[in-house]
Amino acid sequence: KAGVTQTPRYLIKTRGQQVTLSCSPISGHRSVSWYQQTPGQGLQFLFEYFSETQRNKGNFPGRFSGRQFSNSRSEMNVSTLELGDSALYLCASSQSGRRLDGYTFGSGTRLTVV
Amino acid sequence: LAKTTQPVSMDSYEGQEVNITCSHNNIATNDYITWYQQFPSQGPRFIIQGYKTKVTNEVASLFIPADRKSSTLSLPRVSLSDTAVYYCLVGDPGTGNNRKLIWGLGTSLAVNP
Repeated sequence: KAGVTQTPRYLIKTRGQQVTLSCSPISGHRSVSWYQQTPGQGLQFLFEYFSETQRNKGNFPGRFSGRQFSNSRSEMNVSTLELGDSALYLCASSQSGRRLDGYTFGSGTRLTVV
Repeated sequence: LAKTTQPVSMDSYEGQEVNITCSHNNIATNDYITWYQQFPSQGPRFIIQGYKTKVTNEVASLFIPADRKSSTLSLPRVSLSDTAVYYCLVGDPGTGNNRKLIWGLGTSLAVNP
């Protein structure tokens, strides 16, 4: 079966711009979670969507937002980009978001802010 | 929220057995312990999960003592391809909602020839 697809794989933006990242989960999975990964901070939880509703949110500023569509595909948006937003952004899909062993991650989007 | 503590990094050689221990002092009764592996420029992938005693699959073994305050991931006869970051997660699969998984920095394992 197809895995989790994240697009684009790489992105370079300048400070102040905004960016939208996309995640297509595994067919049948209704939960999509987003993470930011940086060398110093590791994997940090951004938010989780389930059936088009944000079910959980991490401790990130309001510049980070997301949404989920009826087909479970999800997008995250970062506005007014800062240099510190440079990171690997990962999305994980799961059927319910409840089982710790049920997360399938995409390969991520590498965002570089210059 | 359960918090886990792992060594930041470990070194090993091909063919050796590697044991990575994770501490989770405030684990709850219903919490399971799950390990993920992450290669560079890829997302983490599930390795193994357990609740108590010992679990073994084709990739690894997981040892959990009776008090469940720690767990040890055992990788038998590692190869260069096992060089990766290993994350220990603790959580309740029955949690109703709003689980904020804390992944931490994981353990960076370097396997040398």
